[in-house]
Amino acid sequence: GAVVSQHPSRVICKSGTSVKIECRSLDFQATTMFWYRQFPKKSLMLMATSNEGSKATYEQGVEKDKFLINHASLTLSTLTVTSAHPEDSSFYICSASGVYGYTFGSGTRLTVV
Amino acid sequence: AQTVTQSQPEMSVQEAETVTLSCTYDTSESNYYLFWYKQPPSRQMILVIRQEAYKQQNATENRFSVNFQKAAKSFSLKISDSQLGDTAMYFCAFMKSGGSNYKLTFGKGTLLTVNP
Repeated sequence: GAVVSQHPSRVICKSGTSVKIECRSLDFQATTMFWYRQFPKKSLMLMATSNEGSKATYEQGVEKDKFLINHASLTLSTLTVTSAHPEDSSFYICSASGVYGYTFGSGTRLTVV
Repeated sequence: AQTVTQSQPEMSVQEAETVTLSCTYDTSESNYYLFWYKQPPSRQMILVIRQEAYKQQNATENRFSVNFQKAAKSFSLKISDSQLGDTAMYFCAFMKSGGSNYKLTFGKGTLLTVNP
């Protein structure tokens, strides 16, 4: 089956610093990856769609300059939260689209202090 | 634009009993997929079941089955012989078919608790 690896699982950073989250498809090529944000006991909110080799498509209301997405290869997409602030604290999940359908990473809990 | 509605924020069921989670959706698409995902306390999203809209037969995966009513735009999930491990948040999701980059539209979720 398809496996998506997401790292780190937890990260604590200081306000004003940047944090990078990686999402890797381990056994399949993912032309499209999705990044979600999830608040406690809430649904997944799509932030952006990234396609390999092209610029990400951001959902309305998501700051492109704060949430930088790079999808440089068919197996790796990264989300960088720049100049993080406490309000960016959340659970971030990636998902990759492949022949098996959509596979989700295990998520990253970001805490900005 | 598609919308997915889950009208039951929380539900509970006794172990070994059956429970049905509701989901309705709205779309103008004729070809699409519907999904139920489970998110246990670990927060890993797990695909429970998938239904292609063109298939009249309801999908079944072991103890999980759906009641897909296309005309009514309804897609409920039935869990039989509930187990403690079924305790999780359940999300209904919609995706139009025809491409690999189509996004999933999620409902708000139903928190299911299975009691011993």
